[in-house]
Amino acid sequence: GDSVTQMEGPVTLSEEAFLTINCTYTATGYPSLFWYVQYPGEGLQLLLKATKADDKGSNKGFEATYRKETTSFHLEKGSVQVSDSAVYFCALYSQGNLIFGKGTKLSVKP
Amino acid sequence: NAGVMQNPRHLVRRRGQEARLRCSPMKGHSHVYWYRQLPEEGLKFMVYLQKENIIDESGMPKERFSAEFPKEGPSILRIQQVVRGDSAAYFCASSLQTPSSYNEQFFGPGTRLTVL
Repeated sequence: GDSVTQMEGPVTLSEEAFLTINCTYTATGYPSLFWYVQYPGEGLQLLLKATKADDKGSNKGFEATYRKETTSFHLEKGSVQVSDSAVYFCALYSQGNLIFGKGTKLSVKP
Repeated sequence: NAGVMQNPRHLVRRRGQEARLRCSPMKGHSHVYWYRQLPEEGLKFMVYLQKENIIDESGMPKERFSAEFPKEGPSILRIQQVVRGDSAAYFCASSLQTPSSYNEQFFGPGTRLTVL
């Protein structure tokens, strides 16, 4: 079945460091891809999305490009802030359902 | 605009008791989804409901779990005779349109169930 695999955490970075969180997927067809963010004690919020190959989703300085050839949707940010500390989930939409990766916890230190 | 509301935020139950989790979708949303997040895991789809109908319950355990979304009032996820393995965070999401193509699901803050 369809699935999402993302890099294990936790990830700890210093403020202004470069962030990459890897995400790869397995799916039939061409699913829509998403990154969600979960701040402590809150529900998930949609961070960005891409609906077709080579699309780039971006929001709040985060970017991810839908790569069909490598079945990947890696999340990047050039300069992280303390306020970016959260859990990040990669997800795909398939046959009416959202399928999530296990999440990657990011901690950014001042 | 109020977002998706869930209550209680934290629920403690002893083995064998019943747990009732409530979800009020965003205003105007008639589609509700329930997800379960086990420790160190991602969210797993459980059930998708529209008003008075269960559309997809493929992720729901066959026993002890049930869900409803009545014409009036919140959606309810009910777990009978809870066991320790039911301890998890349960998230509700709602959307405006049918999911034939993706329409954003808005998530509530979750209910954290602990079974002693």
